[in-house]
Amino acid sequence: DAKTTQPNSMESNEEEPVHLPCNHSTISGTDYIHWYRQLPSQGPEYVIHGLTSNVNNRMASLAIAEDRKSSTLILHRATLRDAAVYYCIHLTTSGTYKYIFGTGTRLKVLA
Amino acid sequence: NAGVMQNPRHLVRRRGQEARLRCSPMKGHSHVYWYRQLPEEGLKFMVYLQKENIIDESGMPKERFSAEFPKEGPSILRIQQVVRGDSAAYFCASSRGQGNNEQFFGPGTRLTVL
Repeated sequence: DAKTTQPNSMESNEEEPVHLPCNHSTISGTDYIHWYRQLPSQGPEYVIHGLTSNVNNRMASLAIAEDRKSSTLILHRATLRDAAVYYCIHLTTSGTYKYIFGTGTRLKVLA
Repeated sequence: NAGVMQNPRHLVRRRGQEARLRCSPMKGHSHVYWYRQLPEEGLKFMVYLQKENIIDESGMPKERFSAEFPKEGPSILRIQQVVRGDSAAYFCASSRGQGNNEQFFGPGTRLTVL
């Protein structure tokens, strides 16, 4: 199974940028990187995904290393509502497209 | 456009009873996934279904668990003869197709086995 490694937890001050790292050293050329977040007592929510190029959307940016073995989710201005567990998922294109979740990074945002 | 719906949101069963969890995918989605989340852990894939077909059940326990997604109606995850270790949050997700398609998750069903 495709595996990702993330720090267990991180803290950020409100209104400051947050960089959440992820290692996915077993990724192959056609595999995507997806990020989800899970707020307390809710189902996971899609954040962003990418393949090779950096990606931006209204929620976040995704910076992908040139060798694709790591990526960073960037929240440009953290708010208290961004406190959640963030999951980096290496979506393998071999076999069926099921998500393999790691333990994620628990982000704490300080007021 | 309603999101993925799951019911019940909370389910309490005694050991040995059956649990039935329902999932209605988003409109236009024909792919359904079930995941289980134990307390303080990440989600674990269980099964992937399309209408009337099980595509991947590699994460399903070999006994007592079954899933279906009939032509009409919601997807059902069925757990027979529940044990305390089955207590968890069960999430359903749906997608428009396979491949690199975003999965939309429901709010989950929290199963408690007494």
